[in-house]
Amino acid sequence: TQLLEQSPQFLSIQEGENLTVYCNSSSVFSSLQWYRQEPGEGPVLLVTVVTGGEVKKLKRLTFQFGDARKDSSLHITAAQTGDTGLYLCAGARSGGSNYKLTFGKGTLLTVNP
Amino acid sequence: GAGVSQSPSNKVTEKGKDVELRCDPISGHTALYWYRQSLGQGLEFLIYFQGNSAPDKSGLPSDRFSAERTGGSVSTLTIQRTQQEDSAVYLCASSFTIPRDTEAFFGQGTRLTVV
Repeated sequence: TQLLEQSPQFLSIQEGENLTVYCNSSSVFSSLQWYRQEPGEGPVLLVTVVTGGEVKKLKRLTFQFGDARKDSSLHITAAQTGDTGLYLCAGARSGGSNYKLTFGKGTLLTVNP
Repeated sequence: GAGVSQSPSNKVTEKGKDVELRCDPISGHTALYWYRQSLGQGLEFLIYFQGNSAPDKSGLPSDRFSAERTGGSVSTLTIQRTQQEDSAVYLCASSFTIPRDTEAFFGQGTRLTVV
């Protein structure tokens, strides 16, 4: 059973279109992170959200943390070819005094010119 | 070094041989993760180390896979009797584990090809 489910798994769109990818769980997280991975590189952090209902914007990217802190979404406005990559969400949960990250499998986004 | 370092960056091995992949995490990071990524796919969790606690090995696909972390720092992932389906990029990440400071820093990965 995957703790964090990301959807869609694959997404191919044209430049200029808008898109939303989702990260869902039945578990509550203390914080949730979004990463982007470009070909040949390791994933790199985009944003961390920590408060239920929080919305963060990073240029054309909008991240939202669900009120119950179980889910999150990433919305990209007017996608560009440079947005192509694998988008991963990761949730942090407490395991006693330490917090462990659990990653979803990712959404592979292709933006076509 | 400033980031997570993995070696080798590329490894080609013959089917049936054993391989060792190395990860040097960021100094001070108590958590270390190993993931596997097949071409065009997402991350597959393998193993998680946290301080001196027993590692979470729940993601290891078979008993041919093992990992250790010596002195709470460097980690080695060993694959015995490699198979062609083991071909993938193996990613290592490290992080702190205190609340609200759990960002994972990834290495560049080791691309393993079993021929």
